[in-house]
Amino acid sequence: SQTIHQWPATLVQPVGSPLSLECTVEGTSNPNLYWYRQAAGRGLQLLFYSVGIGQISSEVPQNLSASRPQDRQFILSSKKLLLSDSGFYLCAWAERAPNYGYTFGSGTRLTVV
Amino acid sequence: GQQVMQIPQYQHVQEGEDFTTYCNSSTTLSNIQWYKQRPGGHPVFLIQLVKSGEVKKQKRLTFQFGEAKKNSSLHITATQTTDVGTYFCAGTSGTYKYIFGTGTRLKVLA
Repeated sequence: SQTIHQWPATLVQPVGSPLSLECTVEGTSNPNLYWYRQAAGRGLQLLFYSVGIGQISSEVPQNLSASRPQDRQFILSSKKLLLSDSGFYLCAWAERAPNYGYTFGSGTRLTVV
Repeated sequence: GQQVMQIPQYQHVQEGEDFTTYCNSSTTLSNIQWYKQRPGGHPVFLIQLVKSGEVKKQKRLTFQFGEAKKNSSLHITATQTTDVGTYFCAGTSGTYKYIFGTGTRLKVLA
């Protein structure tokens, strides 16, 4: 069966520090991969999605970037964190087609101080 | 760009009462999905609707997709405390990305 791993679960980082969040999927190949951010008590904002290795689509211009170095690995990065980067970061995967819905990882709660 | 709004933003109900959340898209959708997020957790996929006017049921949950494929609703009959959480709709116009609605946070009072 398919599983998705996301780590770390919580992170407290100072302003200006770098960030690297990793997500890996098991039990499937060629998945669509996504990074979403959720501010406290708010909806989900799509940050990046990828339909293949090295293929990244950015939805929101900001100081974050994403990379997909392997088929089932998706990384979210920042060179210098801002206070506004705080939030709940969720990685998700979905089959190409048909789409049976996203499967989300357990998320990373990032607090920038 | 595409926007998906949900109402209400919050809903408090007494256990046993019914609950409905409505989802409206600014553009016609090819399909719509519904998710539930428990407090402190991550969203979990509930169902997908594809056809115009489609109605699907999961036990006490009834999902509808509008005729024009621009709106959807989720109705819970006789709420229970286990229904607590935030319900999101997510729609796509046919691309790989789904735009999530603003969510409706449900509290059930025992």
